[in-house]
Amino acid sequence: ILNVEQSPQSLHVQEGDSTNFTCSFPSSNFYALHWYRWETAKSPEALFVMTLNGDEKKKGRISATLNTKEGYSYLYIKGSQPEDSATYLCAFSGSARQLTFGSGTQLTVLP
Amino acid sequence: DARVTQTPRDKVTEMGQEVTMRCQPILGHNTVFWYRQTMMQGLELLAYFRNRAPLDDSGMPKDRFSAEMPDATLATLKIQPSEPRDSAVYFCASGDSQGHIQYFGAGTRLSVL
Repeated sequence: ILNVEQSPQSLHVQEGDSTNFTCSFPSSNFYALHWYRWETAKSPEALFVMTLNGDEKKKGRISATLNTKEGYSYLYIKGSQPEDSATYLCAFSGSARQLTFGSGTQLTVLP
Repeated sequence: DARVTQTPRDKVTEMGQEVTMRCQPILGHNTVFWYRQTMMQGLELLAYFRNRAPLDDSGMPKDRFSAEMPDATLATLKIQPSEPRDSAVYFCASGDSQGHIQYFGAGTRLSVL
């Protein structure tokens, strides 16, 4: 059983605050680490896929880093906005290529 | 606008009835995944197909669930007989041969009374 853990489970921040979450995953048989954004009543939407140790990805105010040797990834949101409110899922992909999802970090950005 | 299409969006049925959920993957994608979202388990993988062949269905209760891909444009997930504990949102996702990003459908919300 693969253990993909995310912390914190939930987070409330004020509009304009910067925030970050953590995803930890097995460091063996690593293929890729995914971040998804999941808004209530919608379907998960891919943010980033990272495959190499040291990868850093950026999309607007959101960025992510990857450390495959120690098995963690950080997702950062700079200057949070109410529309960033969602659950952020990370998912580990090993040699078998299917995804094992973490339980997510539920972010609420208060105006 | 390529997207994964799932039908029905909502299904309410009685215990013991057969339920069939359908998924049309994005044209050209050769991997298809079925997930179930529950409060307790989050998103759990039920089955995974590549080039229409089932690669992993270990997450699926075998006695009542079955997943098939009759052709490249249709994947089905069937529950027979359905039970109240099957109530959940079932998502289908498809991906290309690179196996990186998965694109999710809108889900089928199943309620078994």
